[in-house]
Amino acid sequence: EADIYQTPRYLVIGTGKKITLECSQTMGHDKMYWYQQDPGMELHLIHYSYGVNSTEKGDLSSESTVSRIRTEHFPLTLESARPSHTSQYLCASCPGDEQFFGPGTRLTVL
Amino acid sequence: QKEVEQNSGPLSVPEGAIASLNCTYSDRGSQSFFWYRQYSGKSPELIMSIYSNGDKEDGRFTAQLNKASQYVSLLIRDSQPSDSATYLCAVKLPTDKLIFGTGTRLQVFP
Repeated sequence: EADIYQTPRYLVIGTGKKITLECSQTMGHDKMYWYQQDPGMELHLIHYSYGVNSTEKGDLSSESTVSRIRTEHFPLTLESARPSHTSQYLCASCPGDEQFFGPGTRLTVL
Repeated sequence: QKEVEQNSGPLSVPEGAIASLNCTYSDRGSQSFFWYRQYSGKSPELIMSIYSNGDKEDGRFTAQLNKASQYVSLLIRDSQPSDSATYLCAVKLPTDKLIFGTGTRLQVFP
């Protein structure tokens, strides 16, 4: 298993604000992922990274950006939040084949 | 055709019964298969991984894989109300991408 931390767990913010969702893991995993999931709906991959300075967009078009400056840290940033960004954001890391998820950040944009 | 297909349910079973969850996939080159459990409002939790044809048992859970039929299933024996959740099937493609199904909602009633 992996220890994956996400902060904040809940965030309510106004339209137009810049936000950064934090994700960190302590196991030294190279592969990390960001998913977006609306309640009762399927997971959508929005970004992934296979190591430091490596980031790729996922299947779902997203206005967010990510960075991977350190192995343990994979933050996701929204430059200007909108109500359509309201969702649950899940971070995962992968030591090999199996992905392990963090607790998620539930974002509400008013 | 979706890459990973699951019946959305709900699948309702009485306490103590065997719950059978099914998943089909389209890419014959897939080699790694996973089952996740997701409680409402929580993040997915890995419960089983399977790589070879046949059965793999872990406690009350048994994963079954049939690559010829492109079919993977999860059996939950002695189902408990605490097993009520959405079960996600995930398949790793030869491209290293992990594809999640939409999930099957399981309800275990007392």
